[in-house]
This record gives sequence, C-alpha cells and structure tokens, in this order.
Amino acid sequence: KNQVEQSPQSLIILEGKNCTLQCNYTVSPFSNLRWYKQDTGRGPVSLTIMTFSENTKSNGRYTATLDADTKQSSLHITASQLSDSASYICVVSDANAGKSTFGDGTTLTVKP
Amino acid sequence: DVKVTQSSRYLVKRTGEKVFLECVQDMDHENMFWYRQDPGLGLRLIYFSYDVKMKEKGDIPEGYSVSREKKERFSLILESASTNQTSMYLCASSPHPSGGASYIQYFGAGTRLSVL
Repeated sequence: KNQVEQSPQSLIILEGKNCTLQCNYTVSPFSNLRWYKQDTGRGPVSLTIMTFSENTKSNGRYTATLDADTKQSSLHITASQLSDSASYICVVSDANAGKSTFGDGTTLTVKP
Repeated sequence: DVKVTQSSRYLVKRTGEKVFLECVQDMDHENMFWYRQDPGLGLRLIYFSYDVKMKEKGDIPEGYSVSREKKERFSLILESASTNQTSMYLCASSPHPSGGASYIQYFGAGTRLSVL
C-alpha cells in the first residue's frame, strides 16, 4: 500500500530560525513529489514539485530535496517568518495510475 | 492566477438533508477533484473528473455523488447527510491533459461542513 509519512507532526520555532520537515514515502513506481503549504482555514498552495531526476528545488526561502533511492524528501525553511506558520503537506504520485497519496502534514508554528 | 472558487466557506446542515457543494475553476482545466480533510487522516479523494460528464470514484466515494455538466463546474452531492460527513471539503483542479493527479493541483479555500 502506498504511504506517505511526515515528521515531525508539529514544530514550534522562533522567528528567524531555520527548520527542516521530513517526508518518507513508499509510493512505487514514483512519478513526482510535491510540497504544499496550507494556512489555517484555507486550501493548500503548491510550493514545489520534483520528479525522479531532480534532487533540489527552491522557491524563495523554501528548499525541497529529494532522495529517490531512500525515498525521502525534506523541506527546509530558511529565516522563518511569522507567515510561515501553517501546515506543510507532502504529496507523492505514482507513475502507473497517476494517483496521489497525501501525508498528514506537519504543523509549523513560528513565534516572535 | 488560477482561481478555484468554492461556493460556501461554512455550512451547517441537518442529518438527512441533501447537500450540494459547488466548485468553479476559471483556467479551463480538464481535471477536477473533491477531497475531504480530517485531522490525522490527511486529504482523502472522494471523486474526480477528467472531462465534462465524466466521473471516477476516488478512495472514499460512499455516501457521495458528483456532477460535471460544464467544464468549469464540479459539484459534490451528499444525498442524505450524516454526522460522519462533518468535515472540511476541498475542491481542486489540474491542467494535466491526460488526467490523473500527477501534477500540480490548485485548491479552493475549502468548505467546512457541519452535519448536526
């Protein structure tokens, strides 16, 4: 069964600090991995999308990495801001049915 | 910018009522999706559609139906709402021409439905 596991479940950091969120998956065959940011009470918004051949993808202060061999991805947030407080969701799609499997998300709280 | 609009942000219904959740996208996307989001369960796919009048069951279609009469509009229908359908409902659209959820999806703001 395809699974996407995210860690930690929640995280609290101080404004200006960096943090890294983890995503491990068992989806096979792999098609792509996406990271979404979901503000409270809003729909998810895409941050990055990576295919098998991509190791790193950046979007401003957000940098996603992908290790297709170990089936792991991370999302690194640099110089966090209060507006980074949100849930971050990892989504992995398989190459056969094109089906997406969603992780439960990591809730990040950035405090002043 | 892609815009996916869900007709209601909050909805309160009684058990047994028929409920319609509407979703409209303005980017001529072929693919549209309905998800529900519950704490600890992530997003779960209810139904999706690759084209007008076409629909496919997702992972949890029981108790739901959908309608796609026009390309831009995808409706989720709860024929007889039950308390276990209390949830956040998210609509999404995707431009991938051959279907599937492999590519970036654009989400609406969500409808928080409470069934009493």
